[in-house]
Amino acid sequence: AQSVTQPDIHITVSEGASLELRCNYSYGATPYLFWYVQSPGQGLQLLLKYFSGDTLVQGIKGFEAEFKRSQSSFNLRKPSVHWSDAAEYFCAVGAREYGNKLVFGAGTILRVKS
Amino acid sequence: EAQVTQNPRYLITVTGKKLTVTCSQNMNHEYMSWYRQDPGLGLRQIYYSMNVEVTDKGDVPEGYKVSRKEKRNFPLILESPSPNQTSLYFCASSFLDNSPLHFGNGTRLTVT
Repeated sequence: AQSVTQPDIHITVSEGASLELRCNYSYGATPYLFWYVQSPGQGLQLLLKYFSGDTLVQGIKGFEAEFKRSQSSFNLRKPSVHWSDAAEYFCAVGAREYGNKLVFGAGTILRVKS
Repeated sequence: EAQVTQNPRYLITVTGKKLTVTCSQNMNHEYMSWYRQDPGLGLRQIYYSMNVEVTDKGDVPEGYKVSRKEKRNFPLILESPSPNQTSLYFCASSFLDNSPLHFGNGTRLTVT
């Protein structure tokens, strides 16, 4: 069965420090991948997506993610975190074979300390 | 402005009292879906629809109904809500080409 694992439930980083949020997936088909961010009281906003091609993708708000097929991973990174980045982050995986269905990870809550 | 609109944002009800959460999108998307979000579980799909009059079960459909009579609307119906349906619900939509989902702002439902 398809599954997505975000190993870190909570992460705390200092403002200005670098950030990496982990995402691992198990999928029986060629995946496409997303990272979404959810601020308190808000819906989910798309940060970036990977469908094919260059495995390093750039997103909004200075985020990037790298698709590593050999490791079944799609980790999210940011070189310098801002206090406004505090939110919950979700990795999601889909595949053409499964239509528009996405499987979401459990989420990682990011706290930023000043 | 392109958006997915859910109503209400907050809802408190009692066990067994039928309720409907509305969802409307203005982007002419074929695909619409309902998710529930629970701590530690991420988002789980309840029902989805590929087009008008075409709906199908997601991963957790028990206790829910949906309808898709118009392309823009996809209401979620709880005929007899129970406390285990207390959750945060999201409606989402997209085109049918595996485009990213657009999410509404959520409906926080409490069933007592």
